[in-house]
Amino acid sequence: QQQVKQSPQSLIVQKGGISIINCAYENTAFDYFPWYQQFPGKGPALLIAIRPDVSEKKEGRFTISFNKSAKQFSLHIMDSQPGDSATYFCAASIERNDYKLSFGAGTTVTVRA
Amino acid sequence: DTAVSQTPKYLVTQMGNDKSIKCEQNLGHDTMYWYKQDSKKFLKIMFSYNNKELIINETVPNRFSPKSPDKAHLNLHINSLELGDSAVYFCASSHTLAGVGDTQYFGPGTRLTVL
Repeated sequence: QQQVKQSPQSLIVQKGGISIINCAYENTAFDYFPWYQQFPGKGPALLIAIRPDVSEKKEGRFTISFNKSAKQFSLHIMDSQPGDSATYFCAASIERNDYKLSFGAGTTVTVRA
Repeated sequence: DTAVSQTPKYLVTQMGNDKSIKCEQNLGHDTMYWYKQDSKKFLKIMFSYNNKELIINETVPNRFSPKSPDKAHLNLHINSLELGDSAVYFCASSHTLAGVGDTQYFGPGTRLTVL
């Protein structure tokens, strides 16, 4: 069964707007939460990652917010650009285990110019 | 220089055939993976090798057999192909298996179509 639930399945945002993707998990042993970005015809690539000892991490226009008590984390894309149009996957793993990434179902983001 | 490469990029074959997908990484990583991405883009790990040793084998039919001749290569052989095997298969690698937050680097994928 899917260990990480991701929503929405797709979203459309205007250039300059904010894209928000949410993920939820059940396994409290998860302690590493990366986001991967995938462009059509390409493999996923790590975008940004967070560990549960911080509540927020920002890299450029991309921010992860983490709520440990709610077992939820989200990706915010600020000032969305057409070049951000891609599928975004959240994931989770247990670092001291066998490092098996459990992926969410993915969110296709379309940024309209 | 391509970090993780896969061949072929596209593979179209008939049901019942046997096929192989090759993967090579030039990153000096110890760990390699195979993922399957279905038509709904869901990514699921199939296998993981660390220093040529099988570490993860996720409930994958035994028609799928990975082979790692050395640390830089992880090939996937599929016997008796079925329609449900149609998907995009990604190879990935990371520095270590249980490394703290190790980034996985993905190849470009192999789109397998079984007719």
